[in-house]
Amino acid sequence: AQTVTQSQPEMSVQEAETVTLSCTYDTSESNYYLFWYKQPPSRQMILVIRQEAYKQQNATENRFSVNFQKAAKSFSLKISDSQLGDTAMYFCAFMMLNRDDKIIFGKGTRLHILP
Amino acid sequence: DAGVTQSPTHLIKTRGQQVTLRCSPKSGHDTVSWYQQALGQGPQFIFQYYEEEERQRGNFPDRFSGHQFPNYSSELNVNALLLGDSALYLCASSSWGDRSVLGYTFGSGTRLTVV
Repeated sequence: AQTVTQSQPEMSVQEAETVTLSCTYDTSESNYYLFWYKQPPSRQMILVIRQEAYKQQNATENRFSVNFQKAAKSFSLKISDSQLGDTAMYFCAFMMLNRDDKIIFGKGTRLHILP
Repeated sequence: DAGVTQSPTHLIKTRGQQVTLRCSPKSGHDTVSWYQQALGQGPQFIFQYYEEEERQRGNFPDRFSGHQFPNYSSELNVNALLLGDSALYLCASSSWGDRSVLGYTFGSGTRLTVV
């Protein structure tokens, strides 16, 4: 069974700083997706960034980038130049490729961006 | 272009009662998945509906059932409510022909409280 572990329940950083959220996962599969989702107080899950396991290059989306270490089964999210609007719960998530559509989420990291 | 709409936004029920939650998928989507997010946890997959049939199911008891209508909207029913069923219930829609998570759109959820 696949599992996703986020070891940081809560973090706080000053606005404009860089912050890294950690995630590890466990799977015996070789083809899968990894994601970071953001859940603001509005409760809607918003996809921040995704990584295909077969791609060695780390994904980037504007201020968001990942450090994907497949052998170590590690998938961290870096937020550069953090903004007040980045305050939210962040979930690391996993989905097998071309198998089922079930997304497996970690327990989340609550991120506070301080003014 | 309407996103995923869930109703009601909040609901309070008594133990032993039954509840029905509703979801209208994003325009152009034909597949609906339901997730349960307990307080302080990540969402957990309940089941998925396509062509009015349950296609996949997570580790939830038979008290949880669903339905999909010809217009692709969906209902989640929970019978014999337990205190532990208190959670945020998220609906996610997608297109069966586009089985990538980029195509997922989440709603803002229904907050169910069982007293």
